[in-house]
Amino acid sequence: GAGVSQSPSNKVTEKGKDVELRCDPISGHTALYWYRQSLGQGLEFLIYFQGNSAPDKSGLPSDRFSAERTGGSVSTLTIQRTQQEDSAVYLCASSLVHLAGGHEQFFGPGTRLTVL
Amino acid sequence: RKEVEQDPGPFNVPEGATVAFNCTYSNSASQSFFWYRQDCRKEPKLLMSVYSSGNEDGRFTAQLNRASQYISLLIRDSKLSDSATYLCVVNGRGSTLGRLYFGRGTQLTVWP
Repeated sequence: GAGVSQSPSNKVTEKGKDVELRCDPISGHTALYWYRQSLGQGLEFLIYFQGNSAPDKSGLPSDRFSAERTGGSVSTLTIQRTQQEDSAVYLCASSLVHLAGGHEQFFGPGTRLTVL
Repeated sequence: RKEVEQDPGPFNVPEGATVAFNCTYSNSASQSFFWYRQDCRKEPKLLMSVYSSGNEDGRFTAQLNRASQYISLLIRDSKLSDSATYLCVVNGRGSTLGRLYFGRGTQLTVWP
């Protein structure tokens, strides 16, 4: 079946421009996550959506970052006024969430963002 | 203190070697534990879940010590294809139940 898809796969932009990154989760998955990963670094949590609950935005690095999830499915991560330090791979993941919290997150291939 | 801490490595071992990775976690109430694998320039993928009694999947053995809040992964008879970064992962509790906390990863290179 279809996995998590992300678009675009690569994005090159100029400093100060806004960018939108898209994530299509696996159908039926109630939870959706955004992470970013800089070269040679670990995963940095950004934001988490679970069903109709208010998203956990605790990982967003600044108010230039925002995300929404429409209709409980597709999500868009928006970065305003991009800076060079925003350059990274942005990964989206989706999962089912069980009461005990045990669940596998399925990752998309990521969007590689380069800010010149 | 970070939620999950791992020995960063890198580990460089010959084919056929046995290698062990360790990880500690800070939240004693965590209930779910995993090892993920990430190949170079690829997304992370689940390698195996870690159960309280310990579990084995082929050449891979995972152990959990709740008292010490310690997780391990043992790889026997290493293959070239095992070269990757191994991520220790722990779930949140309470208000962060749905979140998974990822360690920074341990890099493994298996050489011929």
